Amino acid sequence: AQSVSQHNHHVILSEAASLELGCNYSYGGTVNLFWYVQYPGQHLQLLLKYFSGDPLVKGIKGFEAEFIKSKFSFNLRKPSVQWSDTAEYFCAVIPRDNYGQNFVFGPGTRLSVLP
Amino acid sequence: KAGVTQTPRYLIKTRGQQVTLSCSPISGHRSVSWYQQTPGQGLQFLFEYFSETQRNKGNFPGRFSGRQFSNSRSEMNVSTLELGDSALYLCASSLGSGPYEQYFGPGTRLTVT
Repeated sequence: AQSVSQHNHHVILSEAASLELGCNYSYGGTVNLFWYVQYPGQHLQLLLKYFSGDPLVKGIKGFEAEFIKSKFSFNLRKPSVQWSDTAEYFCAVIPRDNYGQNFVFGPGTRLSVLP
Repeated sequence: KAGVTQTPRYLIKTRGQQVTLSCSPISGHRSVSWYQQTPGQGLQFLFEYFSETQRNKGNFPGRFSGRQFSNSRSEMNVSTLELGDSALYLCASSLGSGPYEQYFGPGTRLTVT
């Protein structure tokens, strides 16, 4: 069965610092990849997604992620974080031939941005 | 386009009781997935319904069940509640075919006492 790991449980940054959150998955085939964000008291929202094509994908609020197939990784980046980026971030994977498969989520990384 | 709605938003039940949660997906979406979210376990997949059929199921006991109606609305039922069932239950709506993403509702916060 596929699994998703996220490198950090809790990341603390100061405003304007750069962010990189790691995500690795285990699945031998082709996958679709996602990052979701859950702001305090709010529901999960899609930040960005990768289906195919350019492995560098841009999402909302200045976030981007790079798919590196050889490393089974899909790391999330943002050049300069803001206090409003404080949230929990989840990486998710689903096999490309996804009929009958389900999304698998990583355990989440809590990001705290200090003003 | 209206988002995913879940009712009720909050629920308090006693051990041994049963509970039914409801989810209305985005219009045109045929797939509804349910997840249990807890601080220690993250998002755990319960099951997915597509066109009224359960398409996939996670590793939860038979006390957890669900169904989907012809209008794609879905319900989830938990019988014989246990303290450990206290969690945020999330519903996610999607097209369910082709490359697709899931859109999440606000969740139902279930507390079992």
